[in-house]
This record gives sequence, C-alpha cells and structure tokens, in this order.
Amino acid sequence: GAVVSQHPSWVICKSGTSVKIECRSLDFQATTMFWYRQFPKQSLMLMATSNEGSKATYEQGVEKDKFLINHASLTLSTLTVTSAHPEDSSFYICSADRGALNEQFFGPGTRLTVL
Amino acid sequence: GENVEQHPSTLSVQEGDSAVIKCTYSDSASNYFPWYKQELGKGPQLIIDIRSNVGEKKDQRIAVTLNKTAKHFSLHITETQPEDSAVYFCAATGNQFYFGTGTSLTVIP
Repeated sequence: GAVVSQHPSWVICKSGTSVKIECRSLDFQATTMFWYRQFPKQSLMLMATSNEGSKATYEQGVEKDKFLINHASLTLSTLTVTSAHPEDSSFYICSADRGALNEQFFGPGTRLTVL
Repeated sequence: GENVEQHPSTLSVQEGDSAVIKCTYSDSASNYFPWYKQELGKGPQLIIDIRSNVGEKKDQRIAVTLNKTAKHFSLHITETQPEDSAVYFCAATGNQFYFGTGTSLTVIP
C-alpha cells in the first residue's frame, strides 16, 4: 500500500510553453500533498504544500504564478510550470501524506527539461 | 525552524561491512524520523522510520536508533550489498518535514 504515481516521468518542452505534472495517490486518500524540486546531488527543496480543496501554501521564494498547484481531489494534485524557461529544468517530486501520523510517501519524480 | 544535519555526505564500504549514517536535529518538538533511499532518477523510498517514543527499531538488515536527549538519530545497515548503493536522506518532522542533505552510499563488491 501507499503508492504514489507521477505523470509524466520525463518531459522535454520548448522555452515559453507550460507543462503540467500529475501526482496521484493510488491506494489511499491524501488530504495533503507536497511538491519538491531537486537539483543534481542535492537534497529535496519543498516548493509548496497542497491541501485538497484549498489554495496551496508556497515556500518563500517560490513564485505562485509560475508554479500553479491544484489539489482538486483527495487523490490528485497537479503542478503546472507556466512559461517554462531552461532554469526551470529540474527533477520535480511529489509526496502524499497518508494521515495523521505525518507519513509521507513519494512519487517516482518527473524530470523536466526545458530547451 | 528545524535544522537537520546529516553526515557523512559520502560513504564507501566494502560489501558485507556495515554502514552508519548520522543525523542531528534542533527542534525538540520533532517526533517522527523517517529515512529514505533514493536511487538515481527515482523518487525517495521510505525504508524505515522511528517515532519519538521509541529508542530503536530494526527491520532485517536496517536499524534506526534515536537519542532524543542528544537530538540525534542514526541509520545502520549491516551486511551491505551492492544494491544498497544509493543516496539516503534522513528527515525530522513535527509540523513540517525537514530533510537532511543526503549521504551517497557506495557499496564496493
């Protein structure tokens, strides 16, 4: 149990386009989902916390208008990178909180390459 | 806020030897301490966790110890195998998750 999926696993796009990444909890309901960004050989950097049915809470320095997060259901959260630029190229990982015990389960990640 | 430090940043061991990774945290309110294994190009995978009311937990070759007084916790891997090679992250959490900086473990056959 506690499986989280992400789609797509790898996406290449042109500069200026928008990219949507989906995060799904497959076998449990997640009231809270998290979006992270990871640069090579570095730790995970929390971008935002997403609660079902409400606006996401963004970490300091993360542009809300650039990284749009929607958490429309208890099993799905989406991250849209708008007007992507090469500096947005990174590994994006989501996680889902299974319940009150603070357990986070991570998706497999999405590698975004912006040309 | 919480500050989680992790050491060492890189670790190489011979196959069959033990590996130990240590983390310290600063917030005494943290009460959940998971460890994640991340293989190249993949998301972190929870391998073991411990809560503040327990001092030690073991799962086959993996064990975690927690010293709440000293605010540190450690991951122990015994009888290491090449497939244990990966990056390991510790985390401390109370209201938020705080990750360590990661340890790249290489098990030499």
